[in-house]
Amino acid sequence: EAGVAQSPRYKIIEKRQSVAFWCNPISGHATLYWYQQILGQGPKLLIQFQNNGVVDDSQLPKDRFSAERLKGVDSTLKIQPAKLEDSAVYLCASTPTATSSYEQYFGPGTRLTVT
Amino acid sequence: GNSVTQMEGPVTLSEEAFLTINCTYTATGYPSLFWYVQYPGEGLQLLLKATKADDKGSNKGFEATYRKETTSFHLEKGSVQVSDSAVYFCALTRLTGGGNKLTFGTGTQLKVEL
Repeated sequence: EAGVAQSPRYKIIEKRQSVAFWCNPISGHATLYWYQQILGQGPKLLIQFQNNGVVDDSQLPKDRFSAERLKGVDSTLKIQPAKLEDSAVYLCASTPTATSSYEQYFGPGTRLTVT
Repeated sequence: GNSVTQMEGPVTLSEEAFLTINCTYTATGYPSLFWYVQYPGEGLQLLLKATKADDKGSNKGFEATYRKETTSFHLEKGSVQVSDSAVYFCALTRLTGGGNKLTFGTGTQLKVEL
């Protein structure tokens, strides 16, 4: 079974530029999560999708961050414009359904550096 | 709100030493508790979990017991190996209407030396 795929693995941009990250969850997983992991901290949930609908985006900085999962499969997270404090690893995770399993399966992450 | 506190690292041990990484939590209701591990250059992986009080999760020689009376979920291993060097995250989940939401601790880096 293929795991959660993310791309790119690394990205370096200047502040005020835009960036997008892509995630393809495990096949058949209905629930998808995006996390932000700042160096030295634990991951923080940004947004959770159930199929193509948003379940929780309470911690997403909506003035600059956006995310979509149009067909209920892969997802894109965008930052526009980026700030220095956005430097972090962005993790994508998925679960089969909302309630059938407590385990989240994580991708390798995208390391973003904003200069 | 929910929160997880774990001991700060880095923790440096010699191979075959005993490992304890402390984790305490604050949560409403009855959360499930997890330990995730992040090896260098890799994504987070579930190490073990416990879903109710007094449950013991175990995997790869690691163990943790869900202690509701002390709100703790300490990670232990009797004899660590160099290959156990990684960052360990304690986490809890509270099932919401749309799915499980993980709250992580800050992570503890473990380095095992020969």
